[in-house]
Amino acid sequence: EAQVTQNPRYLITVTGKKLTVTCSQNMNHEYMSWYRQDPGLGLRQIYYSMNVEVTDKGDVPEGYKVSRKEKRNFPLILESPSPNQTSLYFCASSWKRGGTHEQYFGPGTRLTVT
Amino acid sequence: GDSVTQMEGPVTLSEEAFLTINCTYTATGYPSLFWYVQYPGEGLQLLLKATKADDKGSNKGFEATYRKETTSFHLEKGSVQVSDSAVYFCAPYNNNDMRFGAGTRLTVKP
Repeated sequence: EAQVTQNPRYLITVTGKKLTVTCSQNMNHEYMSWYRQDPGLGLRQIYYSMNVEVTDKGDVPEGYKVSRKEKRNFPLILESPSPNQTSLYFCASSWKRGGTHEQYFGPGTRLTVT
Repeated sequence: GDSVTQMEGPVTLSEEAFLTINCTYTATGYPSLFWYVQYPGEGLQLLLKATKADDKGSNKGFEATYRKETTSFHLEKGSVQVSDSAVYFCAPYNNNDMRFGAGTRLTVKP
């Protein structure tokens, strides 16, 4: 089954404690991205990757890091989480960046930073 | 820069009612237009799309027509069901950039 998986689905942590949210896709997609979803703001892109070892900032990259060492994986790293990073996070993948290509989304990771 | 404005929710309808969710965008050039749907506890999934002016995207009884002259892509369904309860996102794609609207929450009551 074609899918994007994320782990963990729920995470409660404290300010400053480094964490990683994993994302994996089994569709051999080149393009992957991370979004955060906040009430009234829709989805905002954090980082994206056009292919292995190629990443770039989205609209709200501050406080986040990513890496793309393998085509299927695109982890999101919060080196020193802060309460304003409390949000619902989605990983997505597609064949190419945008155009007519459908993005496939993971189920989401709800992060709470206290 | 490009932007998208979506009808504010929440929207509550009775089963079999007609649904319209408005979406307008600002963009240079000719974006592709998408509607995504998010069911409770799930990620977004593509509902329908249109890639050029006057195209109509359709899926699961939902329709949206690409109106270049009014820069709109309104989502419609003639008869909603309880299972249509979800959050709907309008998303224009242009110049290697996809923008998502704020989302419209739809609740359909039996």
